[in-house]
Amino acid sequence: QVQVVESGGGVVQPGRSLRLSCAASGFTFSVYAWHWVRQAPGKGLEWVAIIFNDGSKKYADSVKGRFSISRDNSENTVYLQMNSLRSEDTAVYYCASGELADWGQGTLVTVSS
Amino acid sequence: QAGLTQPPSMSKGLRQTASLTCTGNNNNVGNEGAAWLQHHQGHPPKLLSYRNNNRPSGISERLSASRSGNTASLTITGLQPEDEADYYCSAWDSSLSAWVFGGGTKLTVL
Repeated sequence: QVQVVESGGGVVQPGRSLRLSCAASGFTFSVYAWHWVRQAPGKGLEWVAIIFNDGSKKYADSVKGRFSISRDNSENTVYLQMNSLRSEDTAVYYCASGELADWGQGTLVTVSS
Repeated sequence: QAGLTQPPSMSKGLRQTASLTCTGNNNNVGNEGAAWLQHHQGHPPKLLSYRNNNRPSGISERLSASRSGNTASLTITGLQPEDEADYYCSAWDSSLSAWVFGGGTKLTVL
């Protein structure tokens, strides 16, 4: 049974850091690319980052230089390290498999002083 | 990053047909097609169609996706109350080296 579970969200002050985790099971994890996608309050879905099965990474312009995506195939886990957080990063963050077929429930990140 | 263009809203009656559109360019929709997702608030998005227009298993045959040039379309026939949701298209943009999303269409079933 396929399962994707995000964790690590919370309330953080502007300028601080947070690391999100995404644990996947029921997949041959290593062959898939993995995305982070977010939805700010009242807004649409926004793509954040992707890590391919060869380890290469791409980012949205809005997070480039501040966020870093990584993966641990031995733990079937994807991470999103978020630095220099801003109020506009407040959103529900979702993890999704390569063709957007499988999603977690999301984890809420609130950036506020 | 430039996204894909979707009409912000659409209203249709029960059992009618809705045709949602998503316009991109030669680097995204026109290149590898667009995926379609349904999103009910409070739940994770749900993939309705892969970029090659194939439906994942378990997705109703009332839904079909197609593409003509740089415009992707999602057609939903026999609209039901549970079809009321936000619908997003998404594609890989080879010029930006990034995935892009449309702004979403809010479908209301009257």
